[in-house]
Amino acid sequence: QVQLVQSGAEVKKPGASVKVSCKASGYTFPTYDISWVRQAPGQGLEWMGWISAYNGNTNYAQKLQGRVTMTTDTSTSTAYMELRSLRSDDTAVYYCARNPAALGYLSDYWGQGTLVTVSS
Amino acid sequence: QSVLTQPPSVSGAPGQRVTISCTGTSSNIGAGYDVHWYQQLPGTAPKLLIYGNSNRPSGVPDRFSGSKSGTSASLAITGLQAEDEADYYCQSYDSSLSGWVFGGGTKLTVL
Repeated sequence: QVQLVQSGAEVKKPGASVKVSCKASGYTFPTYDISWVRQAPGQGLEWMGWISAYNGNTNYAQKLQGRVTMTTDTSTSTAYMELRSLRSDDTAVYYCARNPAALGYLSDYWGQGTLVTVSS
Repeated sequence: QSVLTQPPSVSGAPGQRVTISCTGTSSNIGAGYDVHWYQQLPGTAPKLLIYGNSNRPSGVPDRFSGSKSGTSASLAITGLQAEDEADYYCQSYDSSLSGWVFGGGTKLTVL
């Protein structure tokens, strides 16, 4: 069965960076893009961007351009999301999700989420 | 402020029917991009509920249905059950932003 297992919770100080991992299993990793979506406490979902696990092409949300980098390691079927220059409003649960391109711009399987807390 | 507009909350009694609206613009829903719906139970990750405006993934009960017209879409839930109490999000693609957009979410309360 398809599974996306994310790394554990992180606490970071303002200005620091965080890198969240997302290990995929149960499907052929390079054949699907991976999206990252975050959710601030008590708030809605915010799309951060996606990466092609086939060729590494990325598309980042305009709001995060310059601060976010998404990468993949096909040898371990793992996707990564790094966010730099953290601010308090980056405190959120970060989700990775699989994109079935044949069905359009959507995600069909999601990781369990990683809480990133930014606090001094 | 979300690009797609949803009502913050809806409610209904067990067995009733409720609908959740999702209003967009000419750069997303109105441009012909599909609308998808996710269900988020408390403390869990979102789950794909409806894709391509009206299609249900395997395992989703036919009590859930979706539709789209013009710049809006709707999610309908019939035969409400207590387990349907959750947050529901619509999502589409926006050509002006060149990215995905979500609605602000709707909290469904089963009375």
